[in-house]
Amino acid sequence: DAAVTQKPRYLIKMKGQEAEMKCIPEKGHTAVFWYQQKQSKELKFLIYFQNQQPLDQIDMVKERFSAVCPSSSLCSLGIRTCEAEDSALYLCSSSQGTGGVGAETLYFGSGTRLTVL
Amino acid sequence: QQKVQQSPESLTVSEGAMASLNCTFSDGTSNNFRWYRQHSAKGLEVLVSIFSDGEKEEGRFTAHLNRANLHVSLHIREPQPSDSAVYLCAVSGYNQGKLIFGQGTKLSIKP
Repeated sequence: DAAVTQKPRYLIKMKGQEAEMKCIPEKGHTAVFWYQQKQSKELKFLIYFQNQQPLDQIDMVKERFSAVCPSSSLCSLGIRTCEAEDSALYLCSSSQGTGGVGAETLYFGSGTRLTVL
Repeated sequence: QQKVQQSPESLTVSEGAMASLNCTFSDGTSNNFRWYRQHSAKGLEVLVSIFSDGEKEEGRFTAHLNRANLHVSLHIREPQPSDSAVYLCAVSGYNQGKLIFGQGTKLSIKP
């Protein structure tokens, strides 16, 4: 079982509604990443937190998403106004985040599948 | 901008035969390479990580890295039907938080 927990597993929203998904990183991990995967295609990086602070994110996240890690044990990713193109599997991952994050293994949750109608 | 390409797009091998997957990347300064497996659009399972040229073995999975050729491969020894999944190559540079993923290779193992 994944040590990274994501909720809910499935989320259905109408176009224009707000969506929120949560992630509980593996205990002791200080780096959290969110990825978007459409129709089993490649994972697209969205945003990266280190010690609850956002360090890197793509423009789409800045413009339409809201992402926070209020504590080391809980992060959330929100979409302010859902669009059909946001339908995807959203994967959260975490790593120890020490000694150069690039060298750390990312452990993934099972994802939240968002469907926008 | 790092580009990661995987080949083939799909691969079918018989149970017990060696399966070989390829991955090329564009940034020669990259030093962090991982292979993940994904069953039916679920979470990802890390298989093997490699950081220097050469070979790294984890059970039945062996990664080969040749940074001069911008190439990393994964070889699966004695694959079983339960190994049928999408295999993803992921690359990042030193002290870079994010991994860049390839588009995946769909592997099917025939009994």
